[in-house]
Amino acid sequence: QKEVEQNSGPLSVPEGAIASLNCTYSDRVSQSFFWYRQYSGKSPELIMSIYSNGDKEDGRFTAQLNKASQYVSLLIRDSQPSDSATYLCAVYNFNKFYFGSGTKLNVKP
Amino acid sequence: DAGVTQSPTHLIKTRGQHVTLRCSPISGHKSVSWYQQVLGQGPQFIFQYYEKEERGRGNFPDRFSARQFPNYSSELNVNALLLGDSALYLCASSLEGATDTQYFGPGTRLTVL
Repeated sequence: QKEVEQNSGPLSVPEGAIASLNCTYSDRVSQSFFWYRQYSGKSPELIMSIYSNGDKEDGRFTAQLNKASQYVSLLIRDSQPSDSATYLCAVYNFNKFYFGSGTKLNVKP
Repeated sequence: DAGVTQSPTHLIKTRGQHVTLRCSPISGHKSVSWYQQVLGQGPQFIFQYYEKEERGRGNFPDRFSARQFPNYSSELNVNALLLGDSALYLCASSLEGATDTQYFGPGTRLTVL
């Protein structure tokens, strides 16, 4: 079992819609959770970090964490074609980072 | 301010050779992490260094080693290269602790023939 699992996609949404990206993790004692965006041929860049149960909002992005279900999600409101990228979920515990394989998001104009 | 820099940009080696990759963190950042990213996969954690001490190590063989210098720059060394070591090697720096925001460099593309 992988430490972090994501649906590889692609997830296609029309411009202006809400994109919902999901991630599950295997280690119940995981401490910190991150969403990164990676454009093709570029390095990952941090979108959000979340450390406690509940929602965290930043502009058009909302991260949701449910530690009981070992589940992290990212909602992107009013999706734009420029949001088309691969979204990586990352989990930190015991001095190690674990990344999922990423979900490819396509936002259609 | 300059971001994270890595050198070289691209590298071609043959099996059995040794390689050294270099990373300079953002000014003021004391932590450097190394990742391996194979096409179509997420980054795989190799090492994290903070204040010149190893803080974390991923599931990589002993052929992989790293160090951090007094100026906080870092080197990743890989010995006895295998074809499977071909990947993008990413360096990320953060201000202090492991869960601070990590800023990734552009990476070094290593090809092993």
